[in-house]
Amino acid sequence: AQSVTQLDSQVPVFEEAPVELRCNYSSSVSVYLFWYVQYPNQGLQLLLKYLSGSTLVKGINGFEAEFNKSQTSFHLRKPSVHISDTAEYFCAVSDTGGFKTIFGAGTRLFVKA
Amino acid sequence: GAVVSQHPSRVICKSGTSVKIECRSLDFQATTMFWYRQFPKQSLMLMATSNEGSKATYEQGVEKDKFLINHASLTLSTLTVTSAHPEDSSFYICSASPANTEAFFGQGTRLTVV
Repeated sequence: AQSVTQLDSQVPVFEEAPVELRCNYSSSVSVYLFWYVQYPNQGLQLLLKYLSGSTLVKGINGFEAEFNKSQTSFHLRKPSVHISDTAEYFCAVSDTGGFKTIFGAGTRLFVKA
Repeated sequence: GAVVSQHPSRVICKSGTSVKIECRSLDFQATTMFWYRQFPKQSLMLMATSNEGSKATYEQGVEKDKFLINHASLTLSTLTVTSAHPEDSSFYICSASPANTEAFFGQGTRLTVV
């Protein structure tokens, strides 16, 4: 079974500052890793994903994440955030066979002017 | 990428009635689909795995008689919330996967029981 831990429930940050949202996972099998963003009263939007290959993954809206197998981490980063990045961010893991997805508890990113 | 569509996107129903939510894979076939529930300000929790042509598999704590799942074809799974009550009000999301790729999510259905 897989599990996901998002270490920060809330991250306040000033506009144009860098941000890192932390995610650790556990699994006994190979996994795929994802970051999703959810704006209020909306569905999920995929930011980026790691399936295989390069451990540094670039996504939409200037976000990137690095898969670290030894640390079992998949932290999300953005060098300069905007007010519009304020949202809930979910880290997720799925196995590579059945694709059942397990979500972390979420991190609320709050960008201040 | 693959497209998964849910219908309706929003529904309001009276307490005691039943509501059906559809999840369709538009451009691929899916023998397995997943249903998730998200309460306000919480994460998404897996409710059940929908299996085409056989019974769904429910996660611990999910009432199978309350949340009826039917996966009658390779492109359609339905979730019926029976005898809905206000505590069933939530955001319901489904996912499906084309062969050997990751899961794609529907846009979700917001259920409000009044």
